[in-house]
Amino acid sequence: EAGVVQSPRYKIIEKKQPVAFWCNPISGHNTLYWYLQNLGQGPELLIRYENEEAVDDSQLPKDRFSAERLKGVDSTLKIQPAELGDSAVYLCASSSGGAGQETQYFGPGTRLLVL
Amino acid sequence: AQKVTQAQTEISVVEKEDVTLDCVYETRDTTYYLFWYKQPPSGELVFLIRRNSFDEQNEISGRYSWNFQKSTSSFNFTITASQVVDSAVYFCALIRGFQKLVFGTGTRLLVSP
Repeated sequence: EAGVVQSPRYKIIEKKQPVAFWCNPISGHNTLYWYLQNLGQGPELLIRYENEEAVDDSQLPKDRFSAERLKGVDSTLKIQPAELGDSAVYLCASSSGGAGQETQYFGPGTRLLVL
Repeated sequence: AQKVTQAQTEISVVEKEDVTLDCVYETRDTTYYLFWYKQPPSGELVFLIRRNSFDEQNEISGRYSWNFQKSTSSFNFTITASQVVDSAVYFCALIRGFQKLVFGTGTRLLVSP
């Protein structure tokens, strides 16, 4: 069974440029998560989807970040415009249920460097 | 509020040594779940174990074992006879109900040959 797929793996952009990350969850997983991981820290949740609905986006900086999961399968996270402080690893995860206790399986992440 | 503390920032051992990674958590809930994940240099978080708050039995999986003690709010992870491939950052995490998964800051384990 294929795991969570993310692309690109690495991205280098200049500040003020837009950037987008893509995630395809494990087949059959209704719940999808985007996390931000700063160097030396644990991941922090940005947004959680149940199918196509964003049920928890309280941690998403909505002035520059946006996400979508139009058909309830794959998802895109966008930053526009990027700032130097956005340099981090962006992780996508999925789980089979949304009750919280289901195990979340993570993708390899996208490492973003903003210059 | 929930909180996970991994006080050990970095541990260095020599291959074949046993090593224990500590995890202390805080929550007011009686129902919650605890996790351990491994993050190798490749970056992917690899799921290791999930334990619910009502199951305090210790668990062993090969060289890995976990000690869950509610009395001390700890969920420690021991690697027996460590190997170089065990070198990674290990995260402990906690979740309750429909809340978000809260991670500790991780412990970097370096196993030298």
